[in-house]
Amino acid sequence: EAGVAQSPRYKIIEKRQSVAFWCNPISGHATLYWYQQILGQGPKLLIQFQNNGVVDDSQLPKDRFSAERLKGVDSTLKIQPAKLEDSAVYLCASKQLTSYEQYFGPGTRLTVT
Amino acid sequence: AQKITQTQPGMFVQEKEAVTLDCTYDTSDPSYGLFWYKQPSSGEMIFLIYQGSYDQQNATEGRYSLNFQKARKSANLVISASQLGDSAMYFCAMREGRGGGSNYKLTFGKGTLLTVNP
Repeated sequence: EAGVAQSPRYKIIEKRQSVAFWCNPISGHATLYWYQQILGQGPKLLIQFQNNGVVDDSQLPKDRFSAERLKGVDSTLKIQPAKLEDSAVYLCASKQLTSYEQYFGPGTRLTVT
Repeated sequence: AQKITQTQPGMFVQEKEAVTLDCTYDTSDPSYGLFWYKQPSSGEMIFLIYQGSYDQQNATEGRYSLNFQKARKSANLVISASQLGDSAMYFCAMREGRGGGSNYKLTFGKGTLLTVNP
């Protein structure tokens, strides 16, 4: 079974530029999460999807972050414009609807200069 | 107040010895679950073990066991017979909410960096 795929693995941008991350969850996983992990901290949930609907985006900085999962499969997370404090690893995770276990992708390491 | 507290920023253990990583949690929800994840330097979060609040017995998965003390609100991870490959960051996380696994989010602690010495 293929795992959660994310791309790119690394990205360096200047502040005020925009960036997009892509996530392909495990086949059949209805629930998808985006987390932000700042160096030295645990992951923090940004947004949760169930199929193509948003379940929780209470911690998503909506003035600059957006995310979509149009067909209930792949998802993209966008930052526009980026700030220095957005430097972090962005993790995507997915799970089956009735399961507790989340499966994580390898993450995208973003550096904003 | 922090929901998940991991008080050990770093831990060292000799190869083949056992080690306990501490985790305390704070919730008023009677239905919750505790997870442990391992994060090697490659960055991927690897699920290790899960304990539900209503589970009667402590969870075990191979060399991993969870020492769940509900009254103390602690969920410590015990790794037996440590291996060099166990060197990594370890995160404790909690889910809150009722019902099945559909709608919940995880709150993570700050992690413990475990180093296994040969």
